[in-house]
Amino acid sequence: DSGVTQTPKHLITATGQRVTLRCSPRSGDLSVYWYQQSLDQGLQFLIQYYNGEERAKGNILERFSAQQFPDLHSELNLSSLELGDSALYFCASSVDYTGELFFGEGSRLTVL
Amino acid sequence: QQQVKQSPQSLIVQKGGISIINCAYENTAFDYFPWYQQFPGKGPALLIAIRPDVSEKKEGRFTISFNKSAKQFSLHIMDSQPGDSATYFCAASRDGGYQKVTFGTGTKLQVIP
Repeated sequence: DSGVTQTPKHLITATGQRVTLRCSPRSGDLSVYWYQQSLDQGLQFLIQYYNGEERAKGNILERFSAQQFPDLHSELNLSSLELGDSALYFCASSVDYTGELFFGEGSRLTVL
Repeated sequence: QQQVKQSPQSLIVQKGGISIINCAYENTAFDYFPWYQQFPGKGPALLIAIRPDVSEKKEGRFTISFNKSAKQFSLHIMDSQPGDSATYFCAASRDGGYQKVTFGTGTKLQVIP
């Protein structure tokens, strides 16, 4: 158990819909990262937050947005969903002075 | 300059054999090089990591070899076991007030009995 909690674990929705994925980092970790992993693909970095502020942005679509709240949990919002958005979405957290990331179990999104 | 190139994409090794996965980086500012192991349906988990002040780090059957001048590092899995079958990601990052971890593209390892 990494200490990072992601909900929901599975989500099935239709094209055009909007979903919110939630992440609770490990206790004490200030940094939260979001990654997308499509079938048999690598980890595509989406966005990073540190203590509530956006710190780095990767290949995140304009239809996607995220935020980190004062209690350090984070949400990833995916809107106008397309079939190609079907993927595993991972949240990771870190103490922030090393590259040691702790990943959650992921949220599997299926868009039908 | 932020890329980390990983090879091979997939690897099949006989039980008891040595699995070798290679990575190369471009950014000389990187100073932390972790390897992550991911089993199907699970999140990646840190396996072993190295800093550039040492050329090798060993933990059990897993060894990282690091070549600073060539900007390359590799993971060796000795006496590979079927339970090692997973996807392995190398990564690189730079310490600082915040850091962005750059991942390689992953290697799917299958250890056959």
